[in-house]
Amino acid sequence: DIEMTQSPPSLSASVGDKVTITCRPSQNIMTYLNWYQQRPGKAPKLLIFGASSLQSGVPSRFSGSGSGTHFTLTISSLQPDDFATYFCQQSYSPPLTFGGGTKVDIK
Amino acid sequence: QVQLQESGPGLVKPSETLSLICTVSGGSVRTYFWTWLRQPPGKGLEWIGEIHNSGGSDYNPSLRSRVTMSVDTSTNEVSLRLSSVTVADTAVYYCARRVRRDSDTYDFDYWGQGTLVTVSS
Repeated sequence: DIEMTQSPPSLSASVGDKVTITCRPSQNIMTYLNWYQQRPGKAPKLLIFGASSLQSGVPSRFSGSGSGTHFTLTISSLQPDDFATYFCQQSYSPPLTFGGGTKVDIK
Repeated sequence: QVQLQESGPGLVKPSETLSLICTVSGGSVRTYFWTWLRQPPGKGLEWIGEIHNSGGSDYNPSLRSRVTMSVDTSTNEVSLRLSSVTVADTAVYYCARRVRRDSDTYDFDYWGQGTLVTVSS
């Protein structure tokens, strides 16, 4: 199985801050990497697919980059709605696997 | 707008079979792969497996011996059965639609709200 390591596990930030979350797969997954946002008690929501493509309806302050074994999710200016947990997920090979999550909370 | 809704018993006894239904509205189950995932309370997400109406399926090796999925085109539903459950199977269970992109990558673009299943005697 491909292990997905996310960092940091949690972070505290303020509205307007730039936030960067990292995801490192245990092997090369090219650009088969997706990012999801999950608010408490809710289902995950797709933000980024194919490492850098913005899902329809997702604000442009979210962006993704990377390939191979190093990926990042960036929120350019954190908004109140963005306080949530973020997961990366690889679709390179089954079993599909997720990172452990990064919880973004209010400083 | 595609919507997915999971339903089924919220409590299952150890050693019994967990059975869930995912009802799809706003689209047909005849297309796409339909996926089941789960999330134990306070933990991360686990891919259980996926199924297509054509009969194609793939399951997580860690659960393969206990999992069965099916598609019912007459009711537009996808089902999950997980046998011989233990307390370790307690989780929120989600169904999701898997979409394939032009870039040949794929992801889960629509999710149900999830349903909590507790395994306890």
